[in-house]
Amino acid sequence: DGGITQSPKYLFRKEGQNVTLSCEQNLNHDAMYWYRQDPGQGLRLIYYSQIVNDFQKGDIAEGYSVSREKKESFPLTVTSAQKNPTAFYLCASSLGTGTYEQYFGPGTRLTVT
Amino acid sequence: GENVEQHPSTLSVQEGDSAVIKCTYSDSASNYFPWYKQELGKRPQLIIDIRSNVGEKKDQRIAVTLNKTAKHFSLHITETQPEDSAVYFCAALNLYGNNRLAFGKGNQVVVIP
Repeated sequence: DGGITQSPKYLFRKEGQNVTLSCEQNLNHDAMYWYRQDPGQGLRLIYYSQIVNDFQKGDIAEGYSVSREKKESFPLTVTSAQKNPTAFYLCASSLGTGTYEQYFGPGTRLTVT
Repeated sequence: GENVEQHPSTLSVQEGDSAVIKCTYSDSASNYFPWYKQELGKRPQLIIDIRSNVGEKKDQRIAVTLNKTAKHFSLHITETQPEDSAVYFCAALNLYGNNRLAFGKGNQVVVIP
């Protein structure tokens, strides 16, 4: 299970504040992903990156932003524009996109009040 | 885009019995179908996958079958054990399309000792 880490495990923020979730991997993977997991909703793709300095929107990108300045790191910012930010956020990485196995991090549970 | 649906949402089985989870997909061009398992409080992990050029794949107690005509694929778990209790996510991907996994909403499998 090692190789991809997320911090912190729990995060609390006040409404109206931006917050950045960390995702780091030492697997030398090119591709990285951010998913949001809500009860009964499965895994919904927020953003993904196939290579450094490049990223694409997923299915629910509104209110989120990302950067990919380093191969190892893919931070996700939840902005105040995200209407319902309280959720469990999972980061994943893979050797490439397509059929490569995605390795998930332990997740960050964000609560916004 | 691709739409993946899983049925049933919750499945309870007696230990030792078999469990079957079915997924349907909408994009006939999808050609890769993985299954991920997420135990309570843990991260999702790939357990088996199948490509569209085969109809069945087996790995010990788990197997996946694919029916391309009907656009559905199923996960079969035989001789279920308590450690099989988890949420199972199916996904579909079109390697020649947007090359992104589309996940279903997940099935909760409960193995009753």
